[in-house]
Amino acid sequence: DAKTTQPNSMESNEEEPVHLPCNHSTISGTDYIHWYRQLPSQGPEYVIHGLTSNVNNRMASLAIAEDRKSSTLILHRATLRDAAVYYCILRSGGSYIPTFGRGTSLIVHP
Amino acid sequence: GAGVSQTPSNKVTEKGKYVELRCDPISGHTALYWYRQSLGQGPEFLIYFQGTGAADDSGLPNDRFFAVRPEGSVSTLKIQRTERGDSAVYLCASSYSSGDYNEQFFGPGTRLTVL
Repeated sequence: DAKTTQPNSMESNEEEPVHLPCNHSTISGTDYIHWYRQLPSQGPEYVIHGLTSNVNNRMASLAIAEDRKSSTLILHRATLRDAAVYYCILRSGGSYIPTFGRGTSLIVHP
Repeated sequence: GAGVSQTPSNKVTEKGKYVELRCDPISGHTALYWYRQSLGQGPEFLIYFQGTGAADDSGLPNDRFFAVRPEGSVSTLKIQRTERGDSAVYLCASSYSSGDYNEQFFGPGTRLTVL
């Protein structure tokens, strides 16, 4: 899987939007962009994924740059429960093993 | 429905001992994965099963580690002659199949401490 780069940590206030960036300049045409998050003392949980078009679900939105070399996970209104480590992962076509980096630790202030 | 469960939640053992960690995947999920997570790091892939067979065990660090899934459901990760460096959280995940669009559902993990 191609490599991703994320900031080590970010901070937000409750009820404000959060934009979590991810760079993946070596992405290939068949790579899907996946986001997982890991709450304290829990296993990771799936958040969202996309290939080329922006995606929305009940948890978040995923904005993918036109050249696909970067993406942004958007939490529209952060809550204290969103405090977690967020992982941006590329999974190439047919690949079954996501490679997790260190992710971005999101701190949400009340 | 029930998610992925792992037992025990915590395991403390002494150096040199043998341990078994169990994973119960979501019913109907054919793919099962084991990961190891050290403090401050992301999960690190160990082994992947598709059905009963280990499709990829390239992440197992050495031959002290072994995993089975005899009936294509429950899996057991076995560690022989444990070392202090084996201390970590061991995570299990399952997915409906192994395609790249299939999300993985993770269990809460087993925290292994080797004294």
